[in-house]
Amino acid sequence: AQSVSQHNHHVILSEAASLELGCNYSYGGTVNLFWYVQYPGQHLQLLLKYFSGDPLVKGIKGFEAEFIKSKFSFNLRKPSVQWSDTAEYFCAVNAGYNQGGKLIFGQGTELSVKP
Amino acid sequence: EAGVAQSPRYKIIEKRQSVAFWCNPISGHATLYWYQQILGQGPKLLIQFQNNGVVDDSQLPKDRFSAERLKGVDSTLKIQPAKLEDSAVYLCASSRGRGVDEQYFGPGTRLTVT
Repeated sequence: AQSVSQHNHHVILSEAASLELGCNYSYGGTVNLFWYVQYPGQHLQLLLKYFSGDPLVKGIKGFEAEFIKSKFSFNLRKPSVQWSDTAEYFCAVNAGYNQGGKLIFGQGTELSVKP
Repeated sequence: EAGVAQSPRYKIIEKRQSVAFWCNPISGHATLYWYQQILGQGPKLLIQFQNNGVVDDSQLPKDRFSAERLKGVDSTLKIQPAKLEDSAVYLCASSRGRGVDEQYFGPGTRLTVT
């Protein structure tokens, strides 16, 4: 069965620090990968996605993620975090059209940015 | 464009009672999803509709959970009878089609079973 693992449950950073959140998935076939974010009191919203092509994808608010197929990883990065990036971040995988759009989520990483 | 609407936002019930949640997806979105998010975990798909037909309900506890999507628009999710372990946030999402279309999430309903 497909699964998604996020390495860190809670990350605490100071403003301007660099961020990298780990995500690994288990599935041997073609996958589509997503990072969702949930700001305090708000809905889950899409941060970025990878379907095919350039393995380095850019999302909103300066976030980017790199798909490394050989490592089954899709890590999220941001060079300099802001207090407003405080949120919970979820990595998710979809094993393509045949899976009907079903997303498998990781357990989430809570990011706290200190001003 | 209006987002996915859900109600109620919060619900507290006692175990063995029943409860229902409502979802109105984004207009024109054919696919509707219900996810369960237990505290400290990521969302888990319960059921997926394509228009008014069920695509995937493999993780729906069918002995107590039921869902319907009348006329391919609004949807309701029901739990009867509720158990303590059903305490969670129930998220509704919709997408334009199947496959890899972006899913848009509603605010969720936080259920507490006492």
